[in-house]
Amino acid sequence: RKEVEQDPGPFNVPEGATVAFNCTYSNSASQSFFWYRQDCRKEPKLLMSVYSSGNEDGRFTAQLNRASQYISLLIRDSKLSDSATYLCQSGGSYIPTFGRGTSLIVHP
Amino acid sequence: DTAVSQTPKYLVTQMGNDKSIKCEQNLGHDTMYWYKQDSKKFLKIMFSYNNKELIINETVPNRFSPKSPDKAHLNLHINSLELGDSAVYFCASSPWEDTEAFFGQGTRLTVV
Repeated sequence: RKEVEQDPGPFNVPEGATVAFNCTYSNSASQSFFWYRQDCRKEPKLLMSVYSSGNEDGRFTAQLNRASQYISLLIRDSKLSDSATYLCQSGGSYIPTFGRGTSLIVHP
Repeated sequence: DTAVSQTPKYLVTQMGNDKSIKCEQNLGHDTMYWYKQDSKKFLKIMFSYNNKELIINETVPNRFSPKSPDKAHLNLHINSLELGDSAVYFCASSPWEDTEAFFGQGTRLTVV
């Protein structure tokens, strides 16, 4: 089974901080990558896609490094409402594969 | 206008019982999945269906039997429930392979 690895954290940061998560994948054939946000006792929801050229959406930036087989998510100016678990996904062959998620706690 | 809906949301049952979880998506997607999320939050793929045909069965015990009457529905039947089956089960769909997944709200199964 091709794996996706994430540091489970938790990452404990103050409001306004910048925080970055990495996610490594083992399936070099994967063509698509995504970041999801999962709140406690809720379903994962798509946060953003990860393109080869990078992707930015407001305070969130996602990057793909194919050579080293990892994707990253950068959150700038963290808000209390960013507290959640962030999961990365690699696609391919009808098996969207998820990492275990990285827990982020933003405190006042 | 729920995109992926699954029922029930909560299921508490005794060991040895048989139960079913239903899932429907109104997104017109070709591919549907069942995932199991355990207490350590790991989302593990169980089954993958494309256009109501089974594509992947990830070493799931044969007590678990998915059924897809059409490409908008993927139900999960579980026989002889065991304590270790307690988890949150998520149904998901995607337009085709290699794209993002859209999840249902999850079914929290507790086996006592």
